[in-house]
Amino acid sequence: AQRVTQPEKLLSVFKGAPVELKCNYSYSGSPELFWYVQYSRQRLQLLLRHISRESIKGFTADLNKGETSFHLKKPFAQEEDSAMYYCALSAYWMDSNYQLIWGAGTKLIIKP
Amino acid sequence: EAQVTQNPRYLITVTGKKLTVTCSQNMNHEYMSWYRQDPGLGLRQIYYSMNVEVTDKGDVPEGYKVSRKEKRNFPLILESPSPNQTSLYFCASSPYRGDEKLFFGSGTQLSVL
Repeated sequence: AQRVTQPEKLLSVFKGAPVELKCNYSYSGSPELFWYVQYSRQRLQLLLRHISRESIKGFTADLNKGETSFHLKKPFAQEEDSAMYYCALSAYWMDSNYQLIWGAGTKLIIKP
Repeated sequence: EAQVTQNPRYLITVTGKKLTVTCSQNMNHEYMSWYRQDPGLGLRQIYYSMNVEVTDKGDVPEGYKVSRKEKRNFPLILESPSPNQTSLYFCASSPYRGDEKLFFGSGTQLSVL
């Protein structure tokens, strides 16, 4: 079954420290994964997608098919990174069915 | 400004009293969807619509109805709300189904007493 797991509900790190938000997935097909972010009082928005191999706001995420992971990383956390982060998997099955499957989310708190 | 507009932001109601949460987008998107967000469960899809007059169930459709009479509007209807429908609801849209860049509304916090 398709599933996205974010094992940490809450992650708290100090400003300037490295951050890694974990995401693991279960999917039999070729995975497409995404990170969404929701800053305080703002709407949920797409942060990055693995196919773009981009760095957004200093964040990167590498798809590791062997470990079925798509962890979000940033070398030096900033206070403005405090937010709720969701990992999502684009899943197709039976030719035409499609669904975006969401993890439970990780709340990231950056301490000054 | 391109956006998804949801109303109301907050709603407190009582069991059994019908309510509607409105959702409107001004981006001419074909795809629209409703999610509920509960602690520890992430986002769960309630219903979605691929275009006008085309709607389909998501993961948790029980107790909800939707309609898509116009491209821009996708209201969520709770005919007889129950306390287990207390949740944070999000409407989202994208140009087409399968485009993962979803545009989200600001959310509706619903409490059913």
